[in-house]
Amino acid sequence: AQSVAQPEDQVNVAEGNPLTVKCTYSVSGNPYLFWYVQYPNRGLQFLLKYITGDNLVKGSYGFEAEFNKSQTSFHLKKPSALVSDSALYFCAVRAPYSGAGSYQLTFGKGTKLSVIP
Amino acid sequence: NAGVTQTPKFQVLKTGQSMTLQCAQDMNHEYMSWYRQDPGMGLRLIHYSVGAGITDQGEVPNGYNVSRSTTEDFPLRLLSAAPSQTSVYFCASSPPGLVADTQYFGPGTRLTVL
Repeated sequence: AQSVAQPEDQVNVAEGNPLTVKCTYSVSGNPYLFWYVQYPNRGLQFLLKYITGDNLVKGSYGFEAEFNKSQTSFHLKKPSALVSDSALYFCAVRAPYSGAGSYQLTFGKGTKLSVIP
Repeated sequence: NAGVTQTPKFQVLKTGQSMTLQCAQDMNHEYMSWYRQDPGMGLRLIHYSVGAGITDQGEVPNGYNVSRSTTEDFPLRLLSAAPSQTSVYFCASSPPGLVADTQYFGPGTRLTVL
């Protein structure tokens, strides 16, 4: 079974400082990894994904994530945080295609990011 | 394109009542799914469908039914609502394929069962 762990319920960072939101995963085979963001009272929005190739993936709004196979991690990063980045962030994993059931995404519990002015 | 739409946005039910949460997408996506979001639990998959006429259970299917008669629509039915089904429900869709594609989420339905 696949799983995702986001070890921090909340991350606080000062505006302008770099931010990191942590994610580790467990899946059979090579993973497909995703980050989504949720603003208050909204649905989830896609930020970025790792499928294969370069371990550093760049996404929307200046976010990037680094895939580390040996540590089974996919941490979300941004060089300089903005107050508008404050939101709930979800990491998700999907197994390689092996039939209809493998389309299922497994989400972490989410990390609330607060950027302090 | 409207993307993924969900109705209603808010709903209050009494225990034992039934209702249908509507989900529609206009992107011709074959894969659609329903999740529930509870505080501290993340999103959990209820049911999913890989195309019209094909549905399957996710992680937490009990108390919910789905059907997929068209590519566009994927309604979620609560047969006899219980307080434990108080949650925010999200519908999502994506094109299928060997490469993982982005799932697009609707705005959600906030359901309260009294």
